[in-house]
Amino acid sequence: ETGVTQSPTHLIKTRGQQVTLRCSSQSGHNTVSWYQQALGQGPQFIFQYYREEENGRGNFPPRFSGLQFPNYSSELNVNALELDDSALYLCASSSSSGWSYGYTFGSGTRLTVV
Amino acid sequence: AQKITQTQPGMFVQEKEAVTLDCTYDTSDPSYGLFWYKQPSSGEMIFLIYQGSYDQQNATEGRYSLNFQKARKSANLVISASQLGDSAMYFCAMREISGGSNYKLTFGKGTLLTVNP
Repeated sequence: ETGVTQSPTHLIKTRGQQVTLRCSSQSGHNTVSWYQQALGQGPQFIFQYYREEENGRGNFPPRFSGLQFPNYSSELNVNALELDDSALYLCASSSSSGWSYGYTFGSGTRLTVV
Repeated sequence: AQKITQTQPGMFVQEKEAVTLDCTYDTSDPSYGLFWYKQPSSGEMIFLIYQGSYDQQNATEGRYSLNFQKARKSANLVISASQLGDSAMYFCAMREISGGSNYKLTFGKGTLLTVNP
């Protein structure tokens, strides 16, 4: 079975720009979550998508938005980038019926805002 | 208040020895799950072990075991027979089930484990 794949792996953007990060979920998984991991910190929950709808959100402003597609892949969009948005962005997929195994994570997209 | 506390920023262990990574948690939810993940320098979070709040026995997965002390709200990870490839960041995480928050993981700040030859 394929795991979670994220693209791109690295990205450099200028403050004020917009960025789109992409994630393909693991085969058989219908739920996708996004996490932000700042340097030296643990991941912070951004939001989760299930059946193409956002069904949970962490403490992130509205300029962080997302989409989930019928094939369960997902996008994370960040508008009006700020320097503090520099981080590793992790996508994780899971099955709604198998939560006890947590999520399968991708290798992340490392975003640098300059 | 921090929900997951990992008090060891860094730990060192000799190859083939055992090491314990500490984790304490805070929740009022009677139903929750505790996870440990390994994060090598590549960035991917690798699932290691899971413990449910109602599980009677401590979880084990190969060389990994979870020392679950519910009354103390601790869920320490024990790695036996350390290998050089175990060098990585280790994160403890919790998933609370009730109150509509059954979807997110709350992570600690992590412990950097270095295995010396």
